[in-house]
Amino acid sequence: QKEVEQNSGPLSVPEGAIASLNCTYSDRGSQSFFWYRQYSGKSPELIMSIYSNGDKEDGRFTAQLNKASQYVSLLIRDSQPSDSATYLCAVEPNFGNEKLTFGTGTRLTIIP
Amino acid sequence: DAMVIQNPRYQVTQFGKPVTLSCSQTLNHNVMYWYQQKSSQAPKLLFHYYDKDFNNEADTPDNFQSRRPNTSFCFLDIRSPGLGDAAMYLCATSRGTGSYEQYFGPGTRLTVT
Repeated sequence: QKEVEQNSGPLSVPEGAIASLNCTYSDRGSQSFFWYRQYSGKSPELIMSIYSNGDKEDGRFTAQLNKASQYVSLLIRDSQPSDSATYLCAVEPNFGNEKLTFGTGTRLTIIP
Repeated sequence: DAMVIQNPRYQVTQFGKPVTLSCSQTLNHNVMYWYQQKSSQAPKLLFHYYDKDFNNEADTPDNFQSRRPNTSFCFLDIRSPGLGDAAMYLCATSRGTGSYEQYFGPGTRLTVT
């Protein structure tokens, strides 16, 4: 069983709509959760971190965490063509581990 | 700006010819990581340093070694590259105490001929 699972996509969303990306994880003791954006041929770029249940908003991005259901999601409002990328979910498996487990990513395409 | 720097950005080496990739950081972070990423795959952790403490992943081949001579620099040595080692190599850093956000360098694309 994969430790961090994401739908590989591609997920196609019209420009201006909300893109919703989901991630589930297997380790119930996980404490820290991150979303990275990776453009083709580039390195991952941290866009959101979330540690507590609920929503965390940063500009057009909202991360949502539900530890009871073991999922974390990323919403992108007013999607722009520049949001087209692969989005990686990363989870710190247990507190103080200092390592992250990455999902394989969801490829998002924003259609103008 | 504080950042993570990797050199070279592109490296071509011959089958079996040793290669060294370098990473430096101005963030003064305690932890430095090396990942291997192949197309459409998740980054795969090879090893990491917490200060001078080296932590090797169990499935990292012996062909891969690392050095961290000081806080700012970390090197990845591939002793005898095979065709299967062609990948993007990513260096990342994190503060490592209380916050495990990892920040990546631009990566080195390794081609093995």
